[in-house]
Amino acid sequence: ETGVTQSPTHLIKTRGQQVTLRCSSQSGHNTVSWYQQALGQGPQFIFQYYREEENGRGNFPPRFSGLQFPNYSSELNVNALELDDSALYLCASSPGGGAYEQYFGPGTRLTVT
Amino acid sequence: DQQVKQNSPSLSVQEGRISILNCDYTNSMFDYFLWYKKYPAEGPTFLISISSIKDKNEDGRFTVFLNKSAKHLSLHIVPSQPGDSAVYFCAASDPGTYKYIFGTGTRLKVLA
Repeated sequence: ETGVTQSPTHLIKTRGQQVTLRCSSQSGHNTVSWYQQALGQGPQFIFQYYREEENGRGNFPPRFSGLQFPNYSSELNVNALELDDSALYLCASSPGGGAYEQYFGPGTRLTVT
Repeated sequence: DQQVKQNSPSLSVQEGRISILNCDYTNSMFDYFLWYKKYPAEGPTFLISISSIKDKNEDGRFTVFLNKSAKHLSLHIVPSQPGDSAVYFCAASDPGTYKYIFGTGTRLKVLA
């Protein structure tokens, strides 16, 4: 059974640019959640996708957007990057929406200069 | 507004002794709680969870206790092992929104 994978591992972007991060969910999981973890903080919920539809959103501006594909993999897109977007971005998959344990990937470290 | 709080940033415990990690929350509507462990350069790993209808859940060396009246949960690790050294996050499920709200983490160091 393959776990959650994310790409790329590290990324450096310039303020104002756009970035796309990718996530492959664990086999059999149809729900993907994205989190932002700033240094010294816990993961902050960005949004969740269930069967290709957004299923909940945290307090992040619209320049954070996402997609889920028919194979349940997912993308996180961030437009107009700001310095404060520098963080570890975590993807987690689960078997369904609601109170199921979420299984995390290793994350993508984004640095905005 | 931090709805899930881990007030101890770090904890050191001798190998073989009990580690107790604490977590407080403010929203009485939270219905599911989880503990995750995180090693450097890895994503959080699920450890153990508990529903709000229970007050204890045990899995091997790990036990989670929930005190709803005090809005407090704790993770007990017995006996502690050096491989348990990591950052531990507690998380609460916000019903109806499907989001998990995480605390800021406690760094556990188990001394050999």
